[in-house]
Amino acid sequence: QKEVEQDPGPLSVPEGAIVSLNCTYSNSAFQYFMWYRQYSRKGPELLMYTYSSGNKEDGRFTAQVDKSSKYISLFIRDSQPSDSATYLCAMSGISNTGNQFYFGTGTSLTVIP
Amino acid sequence: KAGVTQTPRYLIKTRGQQVTLSCSPISGHRSVSWYQQTPGQGLQFLFEYFSETQRNKGNFPGRFSGRQFSNSRSEMNVSTLELGDSALYLCASSLLSATYGYTFGSGTRLTVV
Repeated sequence: QKEVEQDPGPLSVPEGAIVSLNCTYSNSAFQYFMWYRQYSRKGPELLMYTYSSGNKEDGRFTAQVDKSSKYISLFIRDSQPSDSATYLCAMSGISNTGNQFYFGTGTSLTVIP
Repeated sequence: KAGVTQTPRYLIKTRGQQVTLSCSPISGHRSVSWYQQTPGQGLQFLFEYFSETQRNKGNFPGRFSGRQFSNSRSEMNVSTLELGDSALYLCASSLLSATYGYTFGSGTRLTVV
């Protein structure tokens, strides 16, 4: 079983829609949760960072962490064509090989004008 | 300030050859991590270097190795290349640890033929 599971999509939505992206994980030691956005031919860029459970909002983006369910989400409000990218969840904690990050495989999002 | 710089951007090698990839982190960042990104597996952690010492290592064979220099620049070497090594290799830097996230480079696209 993979440490982190993420639906690869692809996801296609009209401009202005609310987008929900999700990841599940199996390691209860994970405490740091992040979302990265990756445009084609670019490296991932950090979008949101959350420590432990709870919500965090930044502009049109909201990250949620539910540690009891081992489930994290990223919501994008009023989606724009410029949001079209692959979104990767990442998480970290102490594992059997020390503190390292585990990534989901990414969800491809297309926002149609 | 300059971001994470990876060279070369693209590389084509033959099976059995070896390859060296280079990464210059953001100025002042002392931690450099390497990831392999493939469509099926997503980002997989190779290793992390901090102050010229390997601090953490993923589950890759010994053909994958790395090092870090006193100026924090890092190199990654893959010996005896296999077709399955074809991937995007990403370097990521952080100040001390990746607890608050990485800054990624644009990657080196390696194709093994």
